[in-house]
Amino acid sequence: NAGVTQTPKFQVLKTGQSMTLQCAQDMNHNSMYWYRQDPGMGLRLIYYSASEGTTDKGEVPNGYNVSRLNKREFSLRLESAAPSQTSVYFCASSVLDNSNQPQHFGDGTRLSIL
Amino acid sequence: KNEVEQSPQNLTAQEGEFITINCSYSVGISALHWLQQHPGGGIVSLFMLSSGKKKHGRLIATINIQEKHSSLHITASHPRDSAVYICAVRHPVGNLIFGKGTKLSVKP
Repeated sequence: NAGVTQTPKFQVLKTGQSMTLQCAQDMNHNSMYWYRQDPGMGLRLIYYSASEGTTDKGEVPNGYNVSRLNKREFSLRLESAAPSQTSVYFCASSVLDNSNQPQHFGDGTRLSIL
Repeated sequence: KNEVEQSPQNLTAQEGEFITINCSYSVGISALHWLQQHPGGGIVSLFMLSSGKKKHGRLIATINIQEKHSSLHITASHPRDSAVYICAVRHPVGNLIFGKGTKLSVKP
């Protein structure tokens, strides 16, 4: 059982390049999330999708776009990468978007922007 | 002021010691989560609490809603417990807010 799978695991970009981070879950979860983790800070929510067909901004959405492609997949796109977007990105999923459900995390994508 | 404060930031213990990690929050919540981030980076959910106490193996989590405080205890600590432990709270309407984490190192 793979759980939450993120690709790629590592990526180096130049400023201004674009890329898409992929996330897929095989647990039939309704809700999916994208977080970033920076040194000295807690995880911060970028975007989330409470259910298939819906997406909403989180705490730090600027510079990102998302697509909930289907129930399994939720992608994060950087249209024009900036050094400030150097971070570790985590995708997560949960059965429902409420406090009684744990979130299951992928292994993360380490992204460096030069 | 951060809405979720964890203490200590770093903790070094000897194998076998009893460990306590604290989490304080400043807002009303519907639930509190404890998570573990392995040295390789993966994050695993350990507990969800809205009241009282939960136990799983050598891990115990407690919450005091009135005092807005939670503790994570590890009994008979082992080097494999070395990880970053993260507290997160959920507003009744809203998303999870994460603490900065407590880095635990257990020496053999």
